Amino acid sequence: KNQVEQSPQSLIILEGKNCTLQCNYTVSPFSNLRWYKQDTGRGPVSLTIMTFSENTKSNGRYTATLDADTKQSSLHITASQLSDSASYICVVSAVNSGAGSYQLTFGKGTKLSVIP
Amino acid sequence: DGGITQSPKYLFRKEGQNVTLSCEQNLNHDAMYWYRQDPGQGLRLIYYSQIVNDFQKGDIAEGYSVSREKKESFPLTVTSAQKNPTAFYLCASTGYGNSPLHFGNGTRLTVT
Repeated sequence: KNQVEQSPQSLIILEGKNCTLQCNYTVSPFSNLRWYKQDTGRGPVSLTIMTFSENTKSNGRYTATLDADTKQSSLHITASQLSDSASYICVVSAVNSGAGSYQLTFGKGTKLSVIP
Repeated sequence: DGGITQSPKYLFRKEGQNVTLSCEQNLNHDAMYWYRQDPGQGLRLIYYSQIVNDFQKGDIAEGYSVSREKKESFPLTVTSAQKNPTAFYLCASTGYGNSPLHFGNGTRLTVT
């Protein structure tokens, strides 16, 4: 069964500090991994996508890493801002080669609170 | 601006009543999805549609129904058969291949 586990479940950090969120997955056959940011009461927004051959990708203050061997990904946030307070969801895509489609497995998310 | 519009943002209903949630997109996407989000759980797929006049059950379709008469619209009906309908419902769409999901801002349904 495909699964995505995120840790920690919640995190509180001071404004300006860095933090790292973790995502472990058992999804096969792997296609890609995305990180989404979900503000309270709103829909998730894609931050970054990681494919099998990519180790690191940055999007402003967000840096995602992927280790396809250990099936782990991390999202590092640098110099946090109050607006970074949100839930961060890891979503792993598996290829459904027979149907030519993709199956998505969602993590439960990490709730980040940045306080002044 | 292109995007997905869900309405209403908040919806209250009495137990035993059917209710329909609206989802409209102007992104020209073929595929559309309905997800349910509960506290402490990941998003769960209710129904999806990859083309007009066709849709497929997701993981938790019981008690829900959908239609896809137009490319732009994918309404979700929560029927009285749904045992625990109170939740945050998210509609999404995606373009070709493995492009990202574009989400609406959700409808929070409360059934009492």
